Amino acid sequence: DVKVTQSSRYLVKRTGEKVFLECVQDMDHENMFWYRQDPGLGLRLIYFSYDVKMKEKGDIPEGYSVSREKKERFSLILESASTNQTSMYLCASTPSGGLRGDEQFFGPGTRLTVL
Amino acid sequence: AQSVTQLDSQVPVFEEAPVELRCNYSSSVSVYLFWYVQYPNQGLQLLLKYLSGSTLVKGINGFEAEFNKSQTSFHLRKPSVHISDTAEYFCADGLTFGKGTHLIIQP
Repeated sequence: DVKVTQSSRYLVKRTGEKVFLECVQDMDHENMFWYRQDPGLGLRLIYFSYDVKMKEKGDIPEGYSVSREKKERFSLILESASTNQTSMYLCASTPSGGLRGDEQFFGPGTRLTVL
Repeated sequence: AQSVTQLDSQVPVFEEAPVELRCNYSSSVSVYLFWYVQYPNQGLQLLLKYLSGSTLVKGINGFEAEFNKSQTSFHLRKPSVHISDTAEYFCADGLTFGKGTHLIIQP
């Protein structure tokens, strides 16, 4: 079974802090994604990566950056956390191939609260 | 730009009754349609997907969906629901997700 793990289930940070959310997948998937999930808004794509060191902006990249130094690991970085970044963050991965046509495998999520 | 519309934010239904969760997508050259389920405090998992071929797609846990190109719809159905089906359901076209439908099963 594909396993996608996220470093923390719950995280509390203060406004202005730099925050790192880590995601690791164990099935050699090429593509990795970061979404945020908010009530009534569904999932919105922040960034994705289709290869090591490659990244593309999603629909809501403002205030975020990402890093993919190794194939299995995809990090989401909040350079200066703000209260409007309080959310559930979901990481996902898919095998190689078309980005849109593959099933996504999701991690359990990190619930981030910014005070 | 693609969009996915889930017409109901919440659907209450009695246990053992049938249910339909509605999803419409914006027309596109090619569609890759998915239904995912999210149980409380968990990530999403795939219920079923339509890439091509038969328009009736069967998934896990007794769910099925029908792709209707003329109505640009991909509604999810189950003939008889159980308490364990209580969850959030998301329709997606590739990387574009709907806002979700909360299925509430009433005993």
